[in-house]
Amino acid sequence: DADVTQTPRNRITKTGKRIMLECSQTKGHDRMYWYRQDPGLGLRLIYYSFDVKDINKGEISDGYSVSRQAQAKFSLSLESAIPNQTALYFCATSDVDSTGETQYFGPGTRLLVL
Amino acid sequence: RKEVEQDPGPFNVPEGATVAFNCTYSNSASQSFFWYRQDCRKEPKLLMSVYSSGNEDGRFTAQLNRASQYISLLIRDSKLSDSATYLCVVNPSGGYNKLIFGAGTRLAVHP
Repeated sequence: DADVTQTPRNRITKTGKRIMLECSQTKGHDRMYWYRQDPGLGLRLIYYSFDVKDINKGEISDGYSVSRQAQAKFSLSLESAIPNQTALYFCATSDVDSTGETQYFGPGTRLLVL
Repeated sequence: RKEVEQDPGPFNVPEGATVAFNCTYSNSASQSFFWYRQDCRKEPKLLMSVYSSGNEDGRFTAQLNRASQYISLLIRDSKLSDSATYLCVVNPSGGYNKLIFGAGTRLAVHP
């Protein structure tokens, strides 16, 4: 079984709709992240959470919100979807080892906003 | 200037070739460095960390040049299965754990 799972894997929605992307992990990590990936750009950080009571904005948080329901669950919401939010979204978890940090990614959610 | 820059490629090489990718970063205070591999339509996965002294893992060698602010990845004896996008990743502030991802360099290994 995958350590980091994301649902749905694919989603088509219309402009103005509210949608939620969900992420679950069984790795027991405290740190979780949401990224988006667009062609020709690196992954960009939307939000991150270092524990259940800690939520932080990343570099592109406008138009998004998150909820850390438990150590294992971190959800991303688009309050009112717009076409330029069409992207591939990844959830990740991390631990810190002697080399710095290793992040483990979920399989991604492909979102199309019409 | 982007914080992390990579040549997007694609690099098209035959099996058995040696190929090298470079990546430059803008923040001279950056603490740790990584190469991730991303297959088409899949999630990124850690390939290797990059240490100041350079490090090797089988056919893969990573090097860091702090003075010139670049890191490199060398792949020897390329395999078809090496075809992927290689992401250069920098942690600019050590323990803070905010990673900056390059856009990736695409490698295509052909028979």
